[in-house]
Amino acid sequence: DAGVIQSPRHEVTEMGQEVTLRCKPISGHDYLFWYRQTMMRGLELLIYFNNNVPIDDSGMPEDRFSAKMPNASFSTLKIQPSEPRDSAVYFCASSLRDPRTNQPQHFGDGTRLSIL
Amino acid sequence: DQQVKQNSPSLSVQEGRISILNCDYTNSMFDYFLWYKKYPAEGPTFLISISSIKDKNEDGRFTVFLNKSAKHLSLHIVPSQPGDSAVYFCANKRATSYDKVIFGPGTSLSVIP
Repeated sequence: DAGVIQSPRHEVTEMGQEVTLRCKPISGHDYLFWYRQTMMRGLELLIYFNNNVPIDDSGMPEDRFSAKMPNASFSTLKIQPSEPRDSAVYFCASSLRDPRTNQPQHFGDGTRLSIL
Repeated sequence: DQQVKQNSPSLSVQEGRISILNCDYTNSMFDYFLWYKKYPAEGPTFLISISSIKDKNEDGRFTVFLNKSAKHLSLHIVPSQPGDSAVYFCANKRATSYDKVIFGPGTSLSVIP
């Protein structure tokens, strides 16, 4: 079974550049989440989608961040322009809604982003 | 405003002994509680969960205890093994916000051989 796939695994870029992170959720999962992990703030939820529709983007730090889910098998998180304080590990996760049980989220291995 | 707190950033335990990881929460509306485990350079993986109608859930070496009146849960690992060395995240959610999970800051567990 393929898990959640994120690309790239590592990204190093200069301040001001556009950064695009990609995620392929587990097939059949109808929820997709973007998280950011930093030493200071731990694991923060940025945005999540249900059936490709953004449900809650209250965690998106500012307008420089945007996320899209054009179809059930692909999502992007874009930062434009990037700043050094955006350096973090970004995780994508997906889950399946099942009213009979509480299905846990399945995480990808993350993208380690460094903005110089 | 941290809704989920893990006050011990790190914990060291001897192999074979019990590891106890603690988590406190502030929102009494949480009704489902999860523990995730994370190895370096990997994403968190689900470990064990408990719903608010229970006070204990056991899965092999892992047991989660929930004390709703104290808004406290704990994860017990016994016996601890070196492969258990990882960061453990406590996570909580509300049934009305089905999939929005709030994570704690994590506790780094080191099991010493």
